[in-house]
Amino acid sequence: EIVLTQSPGTLSLSPGERATLSCRASQGISSSYLAWYQQRPGQAPRLLVYGASRRATGIPDRFSGSGSGTDFILTISRLEPEDFVVYYCQQYGNSPYTFGQGTKLEIK
Amino acid sequence: QVQLQESGPGLVKPSETLSLTCTVSGGSVTSGTYYWSWIRQPPGKGLEWIGYIYDSGNTNYNPSLKSRVTISVDTSKNQFSLKLNSVTAADTAVYYCASRMLFRGYFEYWGQGTLVTVSS
Repeated sequence: EIVLTQSPGTLSLSPGERATLSCRASQGISSSYLAWYQQRPGQAPRLLVYGASRRATGIPDRFSGSGSGTDFILTISRLEPEDFVVYYCQQYGNSPYTFGQGTKLEIK
Repeated sequence: QVQLQESGPGLVKPSETLSLTCTVSGGSVTSGTYYWSWIRQPPGKGLEWIGYIYDSGNTNYNPSLKSRVTISVDTSKNQFSLKLNSVTAADTAVYYCASRMLFRGYFEYWGQGTLVTVSS
């Protein structure tokens, strides 16, 4: 099973700043089969990025993904107030599919 | 666009079987285009993939739950279901049904989730 470790656990920033969220895999993820999700309180996760760097339909361009192999990054270029929620990475290169433990983005 | 809606009991007794159903609209459970999944999230914790079914009968389960899980399809109702037996308090979670398309492993469509509590 591929273990995904997200860091930091909590990130404190201000609106307008740039956020960098990390996801590290315990082994290489084939073909960059890595996705990012956003989860608001009481809601289901929402797909943001797939294939490590492809934005899902309707996702603002301030969200971008990068990385390959074992190290992946989600960048939010200019934080909006609604961005201060929880983010998860997920790998789908190997079964069982696994998720990271999440990064909580909080207002500083 | 696919829409998903979970339903089922919100309270299950320890050692009994948890049963949930996901009703699909905007797509067919028999289409072969989608893989139909269950994912859960214990309160305040992260996400765990439980398993999926596709092509009306082919399944893949998380090894951590495989001995207790069954996912099936009801084509007449355009639904798919989850059964998890011998539950304990550790199975208390929000359960989501979700779908991914063939050749894609990420989950594009999610139900709203349903909280199942295991308690006597």
